Amino acid sequence: QQQVKQSPQSLIVQKGGISIINCAYENTAFDYFPWYQQFPGKGPALLIAIRPDVSEKKEGRFTISFNKSAKQFSLHIMDSQPGDSATYFCAASKGGSNYQLIWGAGTKLIIKP
Amino acid sequence: KAGVTQTPRYLIKTRGQQVTLSCSPISGHRSVSWYQQTPGQGLQFLFEYFSETQRNKGNFPGRFSGRQFSNSRSEMNVSTLELGDSALYLCASSLGTGNGYTFGSGTRLTVV
Repeated sequence: QQQVKQSPQSLIVQKGGISIINCAYENTAFDYFPWYQQFPGKGPALLIAIRPDVSEKKEGRFTISFNKSAKQFSLHIMDSQPGDSATYFCAASKGGSNYQLIWGAGTKLIIKP
Repeated sequence: KAGVTQTPRYLIKTRGQQVTLSCSPISGHRSVSWYQQTPGQGLQFLFEYFSETQRNKGNFPGRFSGRQFSNSRSEMNVSTLELGDSALYLCASSLGTGNGYTFGSGTRLTVV
């Protein structure tokens, strides 16, 4: 019940296209859903995050869509650029005294020029 | 402001040895988490320290241990190194309220 399942494992998108990465969770107590972006040789960096009281959050070309009833959330990258090529991780956590992030397995995204 | 600093960046050790990795969090951050990252296993949570106390622990053997000092700096120790311990070890700091984790660039440990 603590798992976060992420798909696909890898994704190739043409420059200018839309990249979509999906995550699903089981624990309804989760109340914070971030996405992290990791470039080779670097640690993951927080990209965008959402809480379950909203269904969508947009920051520039990056959008999180959240479906509470389906227990799913997804990252959309519009107008994908070669510089977006990276590994993306979704995660989830719940409030209280235990804020441990539960991580998805990651998606390696390659944007073809 | 300065980011999360991990030292050393690269390390080569021999099987059976022990190693200590260091992490200096962002100023004001009281939580430090450690992760092991390998190509096949993604991000594996090791443990989290908050105000010098271990708050969470992942499913790693007792060879992996850590501690946090009063200035929030943290160290991670791995004893009796095995070849399978070769990985990128990442440290992340936060205020401890559940969001805003900032990662360091990691320590690349190679066990030969």
